[in-house]
Amino acid sequence: QQQVKQSPQSLIVQKGGISIINCAYENTAFDYFPWYQQFPGKGPALLIAIRPDVSEKKEGRFTISFNKSAKQFSLHIMDSQPGDSATYFCAASRQGGTYKYIFGTGTRLKVLA
Amino acid sequence: GAGVSQTPSNKVTEKGKYVELRCDPISGHTALYWYRQSLGQGPEFLIYFQGTGAADDSGLPNDRFFAVRPEGSVSTLKIQRTERGDSAVYLCASSLGPPNEQFFGPGTRLTVL
Repeated sequence: QQQVKQSPQSLIVQKGGISIINCAYENTAFDYFPWYQQFPGKGPALLIAIRPDVSEKKEGRFTISFNKSAKQFSLHIMDSQPGDSATYFCAASRQGGTYKYIFGTGTRLKVLA
Repeated sequence: GAGVSQTPSNKVTEKGKYVELRCDPISGHTALYWYRQSLGQGPEFLIYFQGTGAADDSGLPNDRFFAVRPEGSVSTLKIQRTERGDSAVYLCASSLGPPNEQFFGPGTRLTVL
C-alpha cells in the first residue's frame, strides 16, 4: 500500500515535443504529490506539486494532471528542451503524518536537440 | 541563502568500519529528513526529525543505523559495521515543517569496499 509506481523507466523526446511521465499509488490516505527533478550528482529539486482537491496544476511548461478515482497522476513537460534532460521522480505523502515522501523509481528523460 | 549542505560528498570505507555522515539544514528549518538512494532507484525514507527528536525512524533498515540531531540543527547519520549493501547516496532534506516543501542536499555517496 505504500508503493508509488512510475513509468516509463526511460523516455526519449525530440526538442519541442511533449514529455509525459505517469505515476500510480495505492494508499488513499496520500494527499500531497510532488514531482522532483534530479541532475547527475545533485540532490532532487522540487518542480511542481499538487493536492487531490484539484485535477490539474500548471506552472510554466510543467503540468500535473491528477485523477483521484484512478489513483493516478502524471507530469507533462511541454516544449521539452535539452536542458530538461534529467531524472524525474514522483512522490506521495500523507497529511497528519511526518510527510515523509514515498518516491517512485524514476524516469530518465533525454531530450534530443 | 545557503541550501542544505552535506559532508563529505564522497566516502569510501571498508566493510566493517564505522562512518558518520553530516547534514547542515537550511537555517530555521525545524524538520529534517534522511533518505537513501540506491543506483537507479528513487530515494527511500530513513528517519525524520522534528527539532531534536526523531519523530519517525521507521525507515532505518536495522540497528546498525542511527541518527542524531542534538541541537535541532545539524544532524549526523551514523552507520556501524558497514556492509557492501550500505553503498548508496545518502540524502538529507529539510523543511519549515510538514507540510512544507522538502529541500534536498546534494547527498553523500557512500562506497563500502
